[in-house]
Amino acid sequence: DAGVTQSPTHLIKTRGQQVTLRCSPKSGHDTVSWYQQALGQGPQFIFQYYEEEERQRGNFPDRFSGHQFPNYSSELNVNALLLGDSALYLCASSSFPQGGGDTQYFGPGTRLTVL
Amino acid sequence: QKEVEQNSGPLSVPEGAIASLNCTYSDRVSQSFFWYRQYSGKSPELIMSIYSNGDKEDGRFTAQLNKASQYVSLLIRDSQPSDSATYLCAVKEKKSSGDKLTFGTGTRLAVRP
Repeated sequence: DAGVTQSPTHLIKTRGQQVTLRCSPKSGHDTVSWYQQALGQGPQFIFQYYEEEERQRGNFPDRFSGHQFPNYSSELNVNALLLGDSALYLCASSSFPQGGGDTQYFGPGTRLTVL
Repeated sequence: QKEVEQNSGPLSVPEGAIASLNCTYSDRVSQSFFWYRQYSGKSPELIMSIYSNGDKEDGRFTAQLNKASQYVSLLIRDSQPSDSATYLCAVKEKKSSGDKLTFGTGTRLAVRP
């Protein structure tokens, strides 16, 4: 049973560029959430996708956008990259809705460095 | 005020001891509580989930929840050097619009051989 997969593993970009990160959820899961984790901090919620729609969004600017495909995989796009966007980007998958017990399982993450 | 608070540590315990990790949260409507372990440079790995007041045990791990005090803890018995990692507390408020997790900054645990 394949777990959550993310690509690429590492990415180096320069300020002002655009980046696309990809995520495939765990088999049987239909919901994808994206988090940003800066060094020394806990993950911060960016947004969540279910049924190809953004269901909830955290406090991130519109430069951060996403998409979910019919096969439940998802992309995170970041435009006009800033140095502060350097972080570990985590994708988490879950099955929604299932009462209050949904558990989110994380992929290995994408390390983004903005120079 | 931070929504989820953890002592950043490091918490240092000798091998074989009990490690106690604590977390407080501010949102009373939080329904689900999770402990994740994160090794340096890796992604968070789920250890325990707890939804009701009281204790929940899984092997060497025990999660404790007290909703009245807005407090959740994780006990690790017979700590091993391989338990050395950052432990993240996460809470979730069930909303019809989504299920975001709110994390603390994590507690770094160091188990001394």
